[in-house]
Amino acid sequence: DAMVIQNPRYQVTQFGKPVTLSCSQTLNHNVMYWYQQKSSQAPKLLFHYYDKDFNNEADTPDNFQSRRPNTSFCFLDIRSPGLGDAAMYLCATSRTRTNTDTQYFGPGTRLTVL
Amino acid sequence: ILNVEQSPQSLHVQEGDSTNFTCSFPSSNFYALHWYRWETAKSPEALFVMTLNGDEKKKGRISATLNTKEGYSYLYIKGSQPEDSATYLCAFMKGNTGKLIFGQGTTLQVKP
Repeated sequence: DAMVIQNPRYQVTQFGKPVTLSCSQTLNHNVMYWYQQKSSQAPKLLFHYYDKDFNNEADTPDNFQSRRPNTSFCFLDIRSPGLGDAAMYLCATSRTRTNTDTQYFGPGTRLTVL
Repeated sequence: ILNVEQSPQSLHVQEGDSTNFTCSFPSSNFYALHWYRWETAKSPEALFVMTLNGDEKKKGRISATLNTKEGYSYLYIKGSQPEDSATYLCAFMKGNTGKLIFGQGTTLQVKP
């Protein structure tokens, strides 16, 4: 049974056209993360929510925003996608933020920007 | 800047071969090292969470060791099978914050 679900799996958008990626979880975890992985690079943390508390990484572009309306759902909004935003976007959850907490990942959404 | 390096970047082995690859990470302010396996078109799956210097963890034919003083971890696969084909990612935990710093991964291809 899927525990972290991402929709859609593949998303194509046009340069400058806003796009929203979706993540949902059935684990009732407190923390939800968004990672960006560009081709052949390491996944990079964009931001995370601990409950309703939003934590942005210092180098995440302003073009990227997130919403968490409830425990189960988290959205990644890209306001004006550029060609450089084409990547795999991974959502993950964890129960808390301690060093031993496993993060559970969704299968990712691959974003193409035309 | 915290860097996590994995080598080799890719590896091709025959079924039955044993293999290993390396993850290097900062040796200061160590909190934890996580290993994940990511099969194509699936979700990354947690393999191990390692916290103690000298720790060794095992899951079936896969095992991992940890040296926090010199900043490296090895992942071993004994008797590789085609179903082991995947990208193996390690990630360094930045403080006790939940923030994982990933390496770029080692992609393993096991030929029947």
